[in-house]
Formats: sequence, C-alpha cells, structure tokens
Amino acid sequence: AQKITQTQPGMFVQEKEAVTLDCTYDTSDPSYGLFWYKQPSSGEMIFLIYQGSYDQQNATEGRYSLNFQKARKSANLVISASQLGDSAMYFCAMRENYNQGGKLIFGQGTELSVKP
Amino acid sequence: GAVVSQHPSRVICKSGTSVKIECRSLDFQATTMFWYRQFPKQSLMLMATSNEGSKATYEQGVEKDKFLINHASLTLSTLTVTSAHPEDSSFYICSARYPLAGGTQETQYFGPGTRLLVL
Repeated sequence: AQKITQTQPGMFVQEKEAVTLDCTYDTSDPSYGLFWYKQPSSGEMIFLIYQGSYDQQNATEGRYSLNFQKARKSANLVISASQLGDSAMYFCAMRENYNQGGKLIFGQGTELSVKP
Repeated sequence: GAVVSQHPSRVICKSGTSVKIECRSLDFQATTMFWYRQFPKQSLMLMATSNEGSKATYEQGVEKDKFLINHASLTLSTLTVTSAHPEDSSFYICSARYPLAGGTQETQYFGPGTRLLVL
C-alpha cells in the first residue's frame, strides 16, 4: 500500500490566488514527521515546511502552511498568494520515527503551474 | 538552511566507464547522507543510506556492486556508478540529515543533483 499519496498529478492556479496541494499518508507509527519539498525544473529539492505528528498547531512558513488533519491522515500544503516562481513539482514526504535511519518516503508529486 | 553541494552537475560518459559523484555538506557535518535516483516526471527513489565511517545500507533491488558509496568524512559522500550502461542514465540527487529548530526533529537538505547520460 502507498504510504504517501498525492492524488493531483497537475494543478493550475491563477497568480495571487491560494492553492491547496493534497497529501494523505498511512502509518501505524505514533511518532512521525511530514514534509513538503519543492522541485523546480532545475532539479534541486527545496525544503518548505515540516509538521510533527505531536504538534498541536499547523505549521506555517511564510506563504506556506500545512493543513494537518491527523484523524484523516492528511497533510495538505496551502500556498497563499501564488507567484509565478511557485511553478514547480511539489512532493509530500513522511518519516516514521521508529524507522531506523531517518528515511523519507515520498509521494508521486504534484506539478503546479501558476498562470499570470 | 543548510547547504549541500553536488559535483558534477552534469556528466556524459561512454558505456562501460565509471562515474563518481560527490556530495558535500558545506556548512555542517553530516553523519548520514542519502542517495536518490529520479526518472523524469517521477518521484525520488531512495537508493542507499550513507553513514560516515561505516558501510552504506542499500535499498532492496539496488546493486551494491554497481553503485559504490563511500562516506569517508563528515562532509563528503561519494557515489560511483561502475561500468555504467545507458539504463543507468538518470538524475542522481543526494541529501543530508539536518536538525530542525529545537533539535528534536530533523529534515533532509538536498544537493542540486547530477544528470548522468551514458552513451
């Protein structure tokens, strides 16, 4: 079974609008971390935001926020006031803390296109 | 955030030759680094976990004799693709573990990647 599921292969958003990228996860580990990374066409992976399974509040980093719904096992990324430079692939990832070595499990990604 | 460099950024080689890719943590020490492979329009596939001073841990299905990993120092891990063939052509990207603020959690910072083309 997929541990990380991103159901939107591609998304379009108008510049300056907000967009939500979906991510659901599956784990029996009570302690885990959820991550979002951005990958522009250049290929580099840019760390955006982190949410711990025990964190009471949703994580926020500038225009990025993570809508963490633990019971539904979802960790959607919200980008506010989209900019043209936000066009990229976005990957959701999970680290199960009992998983030795700190490995990240990645979803299939969502390609976001911001339209002017 | 932390900076991870990768060299070379792009390499073209002939079939049968070996290629070495370096991954360096520039402003921090990384006891653990990871090597991934990515095909176009696909997600990252973890190849191996590289631990400083010990043997790498390879994921299932990854040939350890084909993809040699050496983590000889706290700032450098290398991936050598031995006897490369066209099917080894891919985007290879490394990452290093890095603590988040508060010190109880961590993330991974990635290098810029290496595009390998084997002719």
